Amino acid sequence: DAGITQSPRHKVTETGTPVTLRCHQTENHRYMYWYRQDPGHGLRLIHYSYGVKDTDKGEVSDGYSVSRSKTEDFLLTLESATSSQTSVYFCAISGTSGGSYNEQFFGPGTRLTVL
Amino acid sequence: AQSVTQPDIHITVSEGASLELRCNYSYGATPYLFWYVQSPGQGLQLLLKYFSGDTLVQGIKGFEAEFKRSQSSFNLRKPSVHWSDAAEYFCAVGAGGGATNKLIFGTGTLLAVQP
Repeated sequence: DAGITQSPRHKVTETGTPVTLRCHQTENHRYMYWYRQDPGHGLRLIHYSYGVKDTDKGEVSDGYSVSRSKTEDFLLTLESATSSQTSVYFCAISGTSGGSYNEQFFGPGTRLTVL
Repeated sequence: AQSVTQPDIHITVSEGASLELRCNYSYGATPYLFWYVQSPGQGLQLLLKYFSGDTLVQGIKGFEAEFKRSQSSFNLRKPSVHWSDAAEYFCAVGAGGGATNKLIFGTGTLLAVQP
């Protein structure tokens, strides 16, 4: 299994509080992604990173920010959590191979509840 | 824009029966296609992938998938289902080119296996 950890694994917080989720990899992969998973929606991309300090928005980026100061760490921040951000958050990583597509490997997920 | 449709939200099969999960994609060029499986409370695991070449792809756990360009489909099959196959299955298509390795996921099919 790819070395991906997410912390915390579970979190309950209140509306309006800031929350930071951490993704840590030991694979030295270039690409890292944050998804949210909600019933009926599958996985939707929030933000992704294609290198240290290089990030871009996904399809559901409003209300979220990210940072990547080291290859191994990708942080997802909810500046002011809302109930609509209650979800399961997955981090994924992907390597490079001559410019062709590579599969993504997923972390175990973080269940976030915003009250 | 790229998209993935999994028409079946929920499927129930008997143990030992054959299985086919449907996936249709929308993509202008040759697609990169993936099937992932998610067991309850777990992250996603790659079952198989199609990049080019033979249109019948073999994966782990006895699964296979067939790419049909004329039908824009990439259906997942297994000849004999085991109780441990009960899980949620996601089809995904590569989007944005190999420079980002981004994926677009379908909404998933939840498989239940009856004894």
